[in-house]
Amino acid sequence: GAGVSQSPSNKVTEKGKDVELRCDPISGHTALYWYRQSLGQGLEFLIYFQGNSAPDKSGLPSDRFSAERTGGSVSTLTIQRTQQEDSAVYLCASSLAVGEHQPQHFGDGTRLSIL
Amino acid sequence: QKEVEQNSGPLSVPEGAIASLNCTYSDRGSQSFFWYRQYSGKSPELIMFIYSNGDKEDGRFTAQLNKASQYVSLLIRDSQPSDSATYLCAVNGGSARQLTFGSGTQLTVLP
Repeated sequence: GAGVSQSPSNKVTEKGKDVELRCDPISGHTALYWYRQSLGQGLEFLIYFQGNSAPDKSGLPSDRFSAERTGGSVSTLTIQRTQQEDSAVYLCASSLAVGEHQPQHFGDGTRLSIL
Repeated sequence: QKEVEQNSGPLSVPEGAIASLNCTYSDRGSQSFFWYRQYSGKSPELIMFIYSNGDKEDGRFTAQLNKASQYVSLLIRDSQPSDSATYLCAVNGGSARQLTFGSGTQLTVLP
């Protein structure tokens, strides 16, 4: 597709359940980023991928969060044993390459609500 | 700790006026600076980026960067009601590969 595609667009689940969020970057983009945005807050960095490797996982808030990327394309962010504080919009972005001068383009996000 | 600071607003300007949005950053090693526009309930949309000191113009938008003062701004000329949104300043550079975002400035352009 032309832009970054994320699915699902909305996810409502019960506390304690696992969730998987998917991101399909812009074709040809080797760098992929996950952020989250809580209500009324700025964007918080979670993790980025250069190809299939994740050099920086420092932003993952706990060991319940994990992410992978296969084939240098689609990425999945998994949250295990969800908690209410995980409720947020999870945004994926991609850029042509990893680098300081590489603009990042965002998908429409997944709005996650934990009941 | 990298920080990016923005006035949260809200900032209100009349239609046709110039809107001025400001951002300061703490990491002197920062190399690239981005402005994103975010409509309510939507994802951030890239509108400008700047890497060198000085001004960069694109249509009604002008980004200004002063690395010595660690200051970046966005000017919107001839503001339109459709410009009403939250504007996010983002900074990249140094050892980090991710963007560090400010909390955003909410702009309202009054008809």
